Amino acid sequence: DTAVSQTPKYLVTQMGNDKSIKCEQNLGHDTMYWYKQDSKKFLKIMFSYNNKELIINETVPNRFSPKSPDKAHLNLHINSLELGDSAVYFCASSQLGGNYNEQFFGPGTRLTVL
Amino acid sequence: AQSVSQHNHHVILSEAASLELGCNYSYGGTVNLFWYVQYPGQHLQLLLKYFSGDPLVKGIKGFEAEFIKSKFSFNLRKPSVQWSDTAEYFCAVNAGDYKLSFGAGTTVTVRA
Repeated sequence: DTAVSQTPKYLVTQMGNDKSIKCEQNLGHDTMYWYKQDSKKFLKIMFSYNNKELIINETVPNRFSPKSPDKAHLNLHINSLELGDSAVYFCASSQLGGNYNEQFFGPGTRLTVL
Repeated sequence: AQSVSQHNHHVILSEAASLELGCNYSYGGTVNLFWYVQYPGQHLQLLLKYFSGDPLVKGIKGFEAEFIKSKFSFNLRKPSVQWSDTAEYFCAVNAGDYKLSFGAGTTVTVRA
């Protein structure tokens, strides 16, 4: 069974369009994350939700809006796509507790904006 | 803010050679440390982790890492690499909050 899944795997779209990426985890975790991996492979956190509440919101344009309908899902909606949004977006999940935060990653969504 | 530095951007070596990848972090408090691997076209997978206890931790696929608190380091090692170890390697640090801060990654190319 896939632990963290994302759809779609590939997304090619035109500038100015609005698109969504979906993420689901079946690990029973209470926290989910979105990361962006740029063309140089650098990974940076964008958002995190704990029990459906936003707990991390890094410096990300307002065009990006996460939505967590329940603990098992965290979707990412992007408005007015720009060329610079082209990247691989990874979803992750973890169970917060104690002093650690081991995160499990999804397969990634490669977004290409033309 | 915490930061994570990986010293090597790209490492090229031959099969059976030994590998060591450096990782340093800047946070002074209690940290949890991770090494993730990303094979070409795939997602990140956890290689190993350190939370507490023995500073020498063993992970999957013959990898190990040593936490040296005085040097703020968590270097990754493998005594003898294989062609299949060709991948991107990421060091990551959690300082007890919700964030996982990643280093810039090291590309490892193993020549057959």
